[in-house]
Amino acid sequence: AQSVTQPDIHITVSEGASLELRCNYSYGATPYLFWYVQSPGQGLQLLLKYFSGDTLVQGIKGFEAEFKRSQSSFNLRKPSVHWSDAAEYFCAARSYNTDKLIFGTGTRLQVFP
Amino acid sequence: EAGVAQSPRYKIIEKRQSVAFWCNPISGHATLYWYQQILGQGPKLLIQFQNNGVVDDSQLPKDRFSAERLKGVDSTLKIQPAKLEDSAVYLCASSLGTDGSYNEQFFGPGTRLTVL
Repeated sequence: AQSVTQPDIHITVSEGASLELRCNYSYGATPYLFWYVQSPGQGLQLLLKYFSGDTLVQGIKGFEAEFKRSQSSFNLRKPSVHWSDAAEYFCAARSYNTDKLIFGTGTRLQVFP
Repeated sequence: EAGVAQSPRYKIIEKRQSVAFWCNPISGHATLYWYQQILGQGPKLLIQFQNNGVVDDSQLPKDRFSAERLKGVDSTLKIQPAKLEDSAVYLCASSLGTDGSYNEQFFGPGTRLTVL
């Protein structure tokens, strides 16, 4: 069955520190991959997406993600975290022939000053 | 450009009662989605509409959940009767729905339902 796994439920970092959020997928073929952010009381906002090509993808708010086929991973990174980055982050995937997104369980990011 | 609108934002009901949620997608978006997000989980697709037709409702509990999208614009999601396990945030999303292209989904703020 298709699935997306985010192994870290909760991550705490200090402001200015680097960040990496992990995401692994299980699909028959390489899916399209996405990272979304959800702030309290807000809907999901797309940070970045990967379809094909360059495996390092740049997104909004200074985030980037790297696709690694050999590890079935699509980890999200940011070199220096800001307090406003505190939110819940969701990795998602879909097959090329459907709009149906399958989400991971999310990682809650807490940022300390 | 106005985003996806949802109402109400919060709803508290007792089990076995009925409840309805409303969604107004971004103007011109042909595809509309309803997701259920239970606390501690990622969103799960309940139903997808293309204009006013259903594309995927495989994960909609049809014995108690129903949804419609009259005239291919606004949509309502209804639960009747509600159970405790229906407590969740219900997210609506919309996309252009153009064939053969990537359809970014834009999400509304959600409706938080608490069933007591």
